[in-house]
Amino acid sequence: QKEVEQDPGPLSVPEGAIVSLNCTYSNSAFQYFMWYRQYSRKGPELLMYTYSSGNKEDGRFTAQVDKSSKYISLFIRDSQPSDSATYLCAMIRSSASKIIFGSGTRLSIRP
Amino acid sequence: DTGVSQDPRHKITKRGQNVTFRCDPISEHNRLYWYRQTLGQGPEFLTYFQNEAQLEKSRLLSDRFSAERPKGSFSTLEIQRTEQGDSAMYLCASSSPATAAYEQYFGPGTRLTVT
Repeated sequence: QKEVEQDPGPLSVPEGAIVSLNCTYSNSAFQYFMWYRQYSRKGPELLMYTYSSGNKEDGRFTAQVDKSSKYISLFIRDSQPSDSATYLCAMIRSSASKIIFGSGTRLSIRP
Repeated sequence: DTGVSQDPRHKITKRGQNVTFRCDPISEHNRLYWYRQTLGQGPEFLTYFQNEAQLEKSRLLSDRFSAERPKGSFSTLEIQRTEQGDSAMYLCASSSPATAAYEQYFGPGTRLTVT
């Protein structure tokens, strides 16, 4: 079993819709939870991070972490075609160096 | 451009050949990481340097793989006797001593194709 599970999609939604992306994990030692966006043939770009449980909002993006359920989410409001990319959830233990990534969800926003 | 840079961006090689990739981290970032990403998967950690010291290596880093960071600036990743299973995107990332390790900035990657 992988430490981090993520639905690979693809997920296709119309422009303006609310998008929900999710991951589950098994290692309760993870403390930092991140979302990366990766465009085709590019490196991952850090979108947001959350420390421990809770919510964090940044513009159209909201990240949620529920450590009791080992479940994290990313919501994208008012989705735009430019949001079309692969979204990777990721997590790391405190004082660790290696990030553990999910397999990524491919998202397509239809104009 | 002050981001992480990697060279080459794409490498095609025949099975059995050796290849070397270079990564230049963001200036003054003392931590440098190598990851490998195969199609449809997330990046997988390979190794980590703090300054010139290689502090962590994954089991994925077989004895055909070697990474160096001789002066604590750029890093090289060499693969000897390449196999078709080595075909992947090799990503380099760096982070600042002032931030936690979660804040890693990735380069554009080197795409390796082994024929």
